[in-house]
Amino acid sequence: EAQVTQNPRYLITVTGKKLTVTCSQNMNHEYMSWYRQDPGLGLRQIYYSMNVEVTDKGDVPEGYKVSRKEKRNFPLILESPSPNQTSLYFCASSSRMKRGTNYGYTFGSGTRLTVV
Amino acid sequence: RKEVEQDPGPFNVPEGATVAFNCTYSNSASQSFFWYRQDCRKEPKLLMSVYSSGNEDGRFTAQLNRASQYISLLIRDSKLSDSATYLCAVARLGFQKLVFGTGTRLLVSP
Repeated sequence: EAQVTQNPRYLITVTGKKLTVTCSQNMNHEYMSWYRQDPGLGLRQIYYSMNVEVTDKGDVPEGYKVSRKEKRNFPLILESPSPNQTSLYFCASSSRMKRGTNYGYTFGSGTRLTVV
Repeated sequence: RKEVEQDPGPFNVPEGATVAFNCTYSNSASQSFFWYRQDCRKEPKLLMSVYSSGNEDGRFTAQLNRASQYISLLIRDSKLSDSATYLCAVARLGFQKLVFGTGTRLLVSP
């Protein structure tokens, strides 16, 4: 089954304790992205990647790191989590757009992170 | 001003009604447009891409108006299962930078 898999689904952690949220897709997609979703603010892009070893900042990158060493994986790293990073996180992937066709992102099921 | 704006709703409609949502965007260089559906606490799911010529998928019709910088979604013959939040998304500077509106909530009642 074609899918984007995130782990863990739920995580409670303490301020300052480094954590990694994993994301993997089995569709051979070039593009991958991380979003966070907060009430009233909607989905905001954290980082995106256009291919292996090619990443760039989205709109809210502060406090996050990413890497794209393999095409299928795009982990999100919080080096020193803070309570303002408590949020619902989504990983997403997509094929490169072809002429006249927009594929759109396919999203993972989400990771609900609480930082206390 | 937000880059992508939607009326948050909720839109309360009876089954069988026709309902329309609009979404405005501020960046005239925006290139790609989408409608997503999101159920409570679940991931957004792509409903349809929006093209300049407009497109239709069953009961759903999407339109793009570049001159006025808005996209619309029309749902005909609403079903209870259409109750969800509808997100519009606009890509700028290449598809991978996709910006979402905050969503419009639809409640369809019997």
